[in-house]
Amino acid sequence: AQSVTQPDIHITVSEGASLELRCNYSYGATPYLFWYVQSPGQGLQLLLKYFSGDTLVQGIKGFEAEFKRSQSSFNLRKPSVHWSDAAEYFCAVGPYNNAGNMLTFGGGTRLMVKP
Amino acid sequence: ETGVTQSPTHLIKTRGQQVTLRCSSQSGHNTVSWYQQALGQGPQFIFQYYREEENGRGNFPPRFSGLQFPNYSSELNVNALELDDSALYLCASSSPDGPNEQFFGPGTRLTVL
Repeated sequence: AQSVTQPDIHITVSEGASLELRCNYSYGATPYLFWYVQSPGQGLQLLLKYFSGDTLVQGIKGFEAEFKRSQSSFNLRKPSVHWSDAAEYFCAVGPYNNAGNMLTFGGGTRLMVKP
Repeated sequence: ETGVTQSPTHLIKTRGQQVTLRCSSQSGHNTVSWYQQALGQGPQFIFQYYREEENGRGNFPPRFSGLQFPNYSSELNVNALELDDSALYLCASSSPDGPNEQFFGPGTRLTVL
């Protein structure tokens, strides 16, 4: 069965500091990996995705993520956090093909940004 | 290009009642998936609809049912509401012809009293 673990429920960083959010997955085939962000009361916005190719992927809002197959990880990073980055972040895994298949999400990491 | 829309935004029901939530898919997308997101948790897959038929289902009881219409919009129906059904219900649309990229709507917040 596929699963996603986000070990950190809450993370607090100072504005301007670097950020790394951890994601570990379990998946029986080649995974298609995603990071989504959710602001309070809002839906999910896709930050970035990875299926193949360069293991370091760039996303929107200055985020990047690195796929490490040997560690089953897909950690999200940002060099300098802005106050507007405060939100909940979700890692997800799924098959490449969509038909009949769903995404499996982690429990999320709530990011708080100190001024 | 119109994104995924959902209605209503918020809903309050009492235990035992029935509820219908609605979703309009993004232009060009003919697949709709529904997710339940309880407070403080990640979204959980309920089911997916493609060509007006259920095309995959998560671990939810039969009182969760759905429909998809010829214009690809979709409904989620929940019968015999329970307190634990209180959650944010998210709809996502996608195209079955390409990679599994799902675009989410803003969600419907359901409160069961």
